[in-house]
Amino acid sequence: AQSVTQLDSQVPVFEEAPVELRCNYSSSVSVYLFWYVQYPNQGLQLLLKYLSGSTLVKGINGFEAEFNKSQTSFHLRKPSVHISDTAEYFCAVNERGKLIFGQGTTLQVKP
Amino acid sequence: KAGVTQTPRYLIKTRGQQVTLSCSPISGHRSVSWYQQTPGQGLQFLFEYFSETQRNKGNFPGRFSGRQFSNSRSEMNVSTLELGDSALYLCASSLDNSGGALETQYFGPGTRLLVL
Repeated sequence: AQSVTQLDSQVPVFEEAPVELRCNYSSSVSVYLFWYVQYPNQGLQLLLKYLSGSTLVKGINGFEAEFNKSQTSFHLRKPSVHISDTAEYFCAVNERGKLIFGQGTTLQVKP
Repeated sequence: KAGVTQTPRYLIKTRGQQVTLSCSPISGHRSVSWYQQTPGQGLQFLFEYFSETQRNKGNFPGRFSGRQFSNSRSEMNVSTLELGDSALYLCASSLDNSGGALETQYFGPGTRLLVL
């Protein structure tokens, strides 16, 4: 079974600073990777996905992620964060139709 | 296009009771999956339905069950509730045109269940 590890449970950062949220997956076969964001008291919103093709994937709200097969990583980045980016972020891999999630990273953007 | 809707949004039950949660997928989506989210265990897959059939199942006891109707709407049921069933239950839908792993799942707002 595949697994996903999000290396940081919390990431504090100041507004307008860059941020990277780290995600590693376990599978060595073809993987389909996703990043979701969850705002307080809400469901999950899709930020971006990697299915195939270019390893640099751009998503909504200025986020992007890079798929690195050799390092089995799919880190999420944003060059300049806003207060409104404060939320929990989940990395997930799709295993035959079911999503396997990491434990989540709480991004805390400080003014 | 309307998103995934879940009802009710909040629910309080007592131990031993049963509960039914409802999910309406995005129009045209044929696959519905359910997930449980708790602070301790994170997000865990419960089951997936496609064309009124359970196609995939997670590691949950038989007290957790579900079904899907011909219009793709889905319900999940939890019988004999335990305190540990308190969680946010999320429903997700996908088109399922190209096969499971390639599909993007879109989530509803969830139903927050509190078991007392």
